[in-house]
Amino acid sequence: DTGVSQDPRHKITKRGQNVTFRCDPISEHNRLYWYRQTLGQGPEFLTYFQNEAQLEKSRLLSDRFSAERPKGSFSTLEIQRTEQGDSAMYLCASSLLPEGTDTQYFGPGTRLTVL
Amino acid sequence: KNEVEQSPQNLTAQEGEFITINCSYSVGISALHWLQQHPGGGIVSLFMLSSGKKKHGRLIATINIQEKHSSLHITASHPRDSAVYICAVRSSEGVGSQGNLIFGKGTKLSVKP
Repeated sequence: DTGVSQDPRHKITKRGQNVTFRCDPISEHNRLYWYRQTLGQGPEFLTYFQNEAQLEKSRLLSDRFSAERPKGSFSTLEIQRTEQGDSAMYLCASSLLPEGTDTQYFGPGTRLTVL
Repeated sequence: KNEVEQSPQNLTAQEGEFITINCSYSVGISALHWLQQHPGGGIVSLFMLSSGKKKHGRLIATINIQEKHSSLHITASHPRDSAVYICAVRSSEGVGSQGNLIFGKGTKLSVKP
């Protein structure tokens, strides 16, 4: 399977714990995006990388959230001191420049439940 | 008010019906995407368009840049078309201008046999 993969698919944690999610984009895709989706809503942008550089972060991304893409391939999203409001589906997508081919390919998501 | 609005929120159709889902947006855009999301979360990109019309099989997407409106049409609908259809725009102004998408809330389509 050469699509976008995410790990884990499901995570249940207690409030106050730290969690880390991983995203493996389609190889050679230079852009990687993180989105969050709550029930009944469309996805919301969190942050994106071009290669290893984090180019933009949403206001939604509080200081408890950090994302990395150290070698320009896979990315991790860490949430520290989780809160119940962090419960959501976390989606990763990747795409390949140039602009005209910037179709985003989505992973299956990681569903986080904070108890 | 959301920057991307979709209508209807929910749509039930009989197999074979022609279906239209609408998307209106309030920001300047460089591209508009139609996405399909199945239960369980998987999202598939259907179309990316910046003008005119695109067709893929039974799916047709149109966009009117002047009216800031796009439609997704499904001809000869089938139960396997049942999913949430999401409209998303890449803004050409302010937040979102670097490539991230602004999403509508989605239209839940259910096609009955």
